[in-house]
Amino acid sequence: DAGVTQSPTHLIKTRGQQVTLRCSPISGHKSVSWYQQVLGQGPQFIFQYYEKEERGRGNFPDRFSARQFPNYSSELNVNALLLGDSALYLCASSLAGGSYEQYFGPGTRLTVT
Amino acid sequence: GDSVTQMEGPVTLSEEAFLTINCTYTATGYPSLFWYVQYPGEGLQLLLKATKADDKGSNKGFEATYRKETTSFHLEKGSVQVSDSAVYFCALSDHSGNTPLVFGKGTRLSVIA
Repeated sequence: DAGVTQSPTHLIKTRGQQVTLRCSPISGHKSVSWYQQVLGQGPQFIFQYYEKEERGRGNFPDRFSARQFPNYSSELNVNALLLGDSALYLCASSLAGGSYEQYFGPGTRLTVT
Repeated sequence: GDSVTQMEGPVTLSEEAFLTINCTYTATGYPSLFWYVQYPGEGLQLLLKATKADDKGSNKGFEATYRKETTSFHLEKGSVQVSDSAVYFCALSDHSGNTPLVFGKGTRLSVIA
């Protein structure tokens, strides 16, 4: 069975640009969560979506936004990129909206120059 | 708010040595506790979990016991292998699993032959 997939794998952007990251959950999973992992730190929660509705939002600025599509895939958008947005962005899917049995994708490595 | 504190790394051990990675938490109520592992270039994998006091989670020779009295969830393995080299993250969510995962900063383990 396919796990959580994310695209692209790596991305280099310039300050001020916008970026869109994509995530496909495990088949049958209806919840997707996004986390930011800065080098040397643990992942920090950004968003959770369940059945296309936003279930939760972490302490991130409004430059970060996300959505979930009818097929349960998800996009994370970041506008007006800052150097500090450089990180590994992880997507996790689960059957329902809770934290139990979250399955993580390999992540998208974003570098902002 | 809720938080997780892990021992600082890196930890370097010889093959077959005993491993302990300390984890303590601060949370309201009785959280569920998790250990995740991140191998180089990969996303996070759930290693084990415990959902109530005195529960012992175990997997692949690793184990951790939920200690409410000391608010701890230390990870142990009796005999590490080179293949265990990775970054280990302690995490928590509320008991119902309805809140996002809160992660510690991670502990890098290197096992040398």
